[in-house]
Order: sequence, then C-alpha cells, then structure tokens
Amino acid sequence: DTEVTQTPKHLVMGMTNKKSLKCEQHMGHRAMYWYKQKAKKPPELMFVYSYEKLSINESVPSRFSPECPNSSLLNLHLHALQPEDSALYLCASSPLRLVNTEAFFGQGTRLTVV
Amino acid sequence: KQEVTQIPAALSVPEGENLVLNCSFTDSAIYNLQWFRQDPGKGLTSLLLIQSSQREQTSGRLNASLDKSSGRSTLYIAASQPGDSATYLCADNTDKLIFGTGTRLQVFP
Repeated sequence: DTEVTQTPKHLVMGMTNKKSLKCEQHMGHRAMYWYKQKAKKPPELMFVYSYEKLSINESVPSRFSPECPNSSLLNLHLHALQPEDSALYLCASSPLRLVNTEAFFGQGTRLTVV
Repeated sequence: KQEVTQIPAALSVPEGENLVLNCSFTDSAIYNLQWFRQDPGKGLTSLLLIQSSQREQTSGRLNASLDKSSGRSTLYIAASQPGDSATYLCADNTDKLIFGTGTRLQVFP
C-alpha cells in the first residue's frame, strides 16, 4: 500500500474563515511534507516534518500553520488566507528524510479562496 | 542553489512513438533523482527513483537514466500510448524534492 490520503478534495473558503487540510498515511513513513502548486507550475515545498517534528519551514506566511499530531497524520491549518493562496495543496510522505527513499504523494486538495 | 529544468516544455506525438524527456540540474551533488507523472488537477504518481549508486532504472515501458557528471537525466518512454498523456516532472530527491519545470506530453491516436 503506497497510499497517501488527503481530505477534503476540494475546499472553498472566505478570507475570514478558518479551515484545515488533512493528510494521512499508513505506510510507517516518518517524514511528511506539504507542497503548494499553482496552475502550470511545479510544486513548491512549504513544510517538512521528520519524526513528528518540524524540520523545514520554507518561509511560509503564518496564516498557514502545520501540525503533525502523530506519525500517520499531518494537518495544515488555514486562517485569514488571501485569494492568491488559491492552489492545489499536496501532501507527501517518505520512509525517512529523502536519502535513498522514494516520496509518495496524495491526490491533493484544490483550495479556492474567495 | 539547485535548479532543475526540463526540455521540451510540451510535446505532442502520435501513438506508438518512442519518446525521450530531458531533465537538467545545476548542482551535480545530487544524490537521488525521482520521476513523477501528474494528470491534470491530480496528485503526483511516482514512476522511478534513481539512486546515486545507479545509472538507470526500468519499469515496464519506462527507462530513466542519471548522469551526475553532466547534470542530466532522461526518461525514455517506449511505444507511447494515449494513456501516457500527462505532465512529467523530474525532481532532485537528495534532501527535499526540488522539481523541474515539467514536460506536458500529449499522445494522440
């Protein structure tokens, strides 16, 4: 099983709303990632968690708040977003931080900020 | 800072052709390279991972090679099919995935 599950698949939120994106994997992976992808662009790294600890924050605005409650679950809490934050948000996992390990992605959450 | 580029940006071919997609990177200290496929509006599907000790990997009709000294990787697709139509992304998989610019492939019947 190489499945990474993301919910919801689609989300529409207002600029004053608070919402959360969820990512789950049951492959025993100890590294999890959030990526943001705009149309016709490659994914851009936002956050990396390793052993449930935040190891990389790519200077992401504080309106995005990641959380890793356990080794199988990764959340992205959203608050006071801007229309330009509309994008496909992708979660990925790998057995360890990326040394000789393969990364697997979920199907993404399509976020629209209105 | 690692930069990854892919050529061509878009490719349209008739079914049955053999294809080569190119990936170039600026930092030859790359450890691993991973190829992905992305269908429109969907997530990424891992195709092949080439580790630093390997020069190529094969999976079905796909073959990927890695030449660190020249800063290049190629993805070879044999006997292309309409179902191969997608965007193909390569990524430096050394520490955090650094993606290339992608090649958008269309295979028509």
